[in-house]
Amino acid sequence: QQKVQQSPESLIVPEGGMASLNCTFSDRNSQYFWWYRQHSGEGPKALMSIFSNGDKKEGRFTAHLNKASLHVSLHIKDSQPSDSALYFCAVSNSNNRIFFGDGTQLVVKP
Amino acid sequence: DPKIIQKPKYLVAVTGSEKILICEQYLGHNAMYWYRQSAKKPLEFMFSYSYQKLMDNQTASSRFQPQSSKKNHLDLQITALKPDDSATYFCASSQDRGLGQLYFGEGSKLTVL
Repeated sequence: QQKVQQSPESLIVPEGGMASLNCTFSDRNSQYFWWYRQHSGEGPKALMSIFSNGDKKEGRFTAHLNKASLHVSLHIKDSQPSDSALYFCAVSNSNNRIFFGDGTQLVVKP
Repeated sequence: DPKIIQKPKYLVAVTGSEKILICEQYLGHNAMYWYRQSAKKPLEFMFSYSYQKLMDNQTASSRFQPQSSKKNHLDLQITALKPDDSATYFCASSQDRGLGQLYFGEGSKLTVL
């Protein structure tokens, strides 16, 4: 069974700082990787996806995937207080099942 | 306009009773899911449906029964409620099962006394 682990559990960064979130997965046949963000009182919303090894940049957000090391990360540049949320890594394997990590709680302090 | 509607948003139940959580999606998606979120498990997969057929069931207890009366509906019936069932239940959908982005509803927060 796929295991998806996120670190750190919680992270505090100053406004304008860089936040780095990590995710490891166990199934080498994993195909699709997503980051979701959940603000308090809302449902999770997809932030970005990455399917190929390397970096993918969308605005202030950069995802990095290294399938060989079973690792995907999310980096948030110039963090804003509105980025404060619970971030989930989601991994889809070859059986089309989606597995979520336990989340990283990000707090951006003004 | 919300594309995934969950009802009710909040509900309180007594131990031993039964509740039904409603979910409708208006995205034209073929796959629907239920997830549970609590302090113990931030986002726990429960069920997935594809074209109204049950594809995955990760819920050990038969007290949880999904019901799909139409392609865009996936309700969740919970019987013999226990305080441990207290959680926020999220419905989600995707174009096809396991592929692409999941769209989540706003959740139904259940408190069992």
